[in-house]
Amino acid sequence: DTGVSQDPRHKITKRGQNVTFRCDPISEHNRLYWYRQTLGQGPEFLTYFQNEAQLEKSRLLSDRFSAERPKGSFSTLEIQRTEQGDSAMYLCASSFYRDKETQYFGPGTRLLVL
Amino acid sequence: GQSLEQPSEVTAVEGAIVQINCTYQTSGFYGLSWYQQHDGGAPTFLSYNALDGLEETGRFSSFLSRSDSYGYLLLQELQMKDSASYFCAVWVVGNKLTFGGGTRVLVKP
Repeated sequence: DTGVSQDPRHKITKRGQNVTFRCDPISEHNRLYWYRQTLGQGPEFLTYFQNEAQLEKSRLLSDRFSAERPKGSFSTLEIQRTEQGDSAMYLCASSFYRDKETQYFGPGTRLLVL
Repeated sequence: GQSLEQPSEVTAVEGAIVQINCTYQTSGFYGLSWYQQHDGGAPTFLSYNALDGLEETGRFSSFLSRSDSYGYLLLQELQMKDSASYFCAVWVVGNKLTFGGGTRVLVKP
């Protein structure tokens, strides 16, 4: 297993369009997190799954954002009606339940909304 | 709410020792983590402290004082490859991780 993977790595879209990102965690990891990071800032928590259950969602996350992890493996993050303020790096991380504080991050998807 | 404070930038020469302090104010705290991130790269886990005291892993050590809401990351025998951003992050009840703004470490020859 080569680690957490994310697809696509880069996405350019026009304001108002919908975008969807995919994250494939390390295979035995049951916890999966989504973060957003803007330049010069630390990652900001968006949401968290344990297996297929979405257990936490940031209050900062508007209704335009939705995430799924239907079979407890890969996850998708969708942003509807994108805005220029959504431009950021979207990071996915996973961890194993026995060592949940050790998160392994994927390379991220860089989104640019024009 | 939660807040974390860490210096924005630190500069040191190769072979030196750097200490990055982190103070936090949060409810439901149960642990402090440190991550390293090179420009253009993903954050990489360095350490996790749940109890007071010092944890040592090679050239890097991390310290936590829960009573002072304070921790630090110690980088020893600095190498050029240590030039990166370092983030402290607090774990709170609900298994949420909140990151600080990061400290940019620049290592000079």
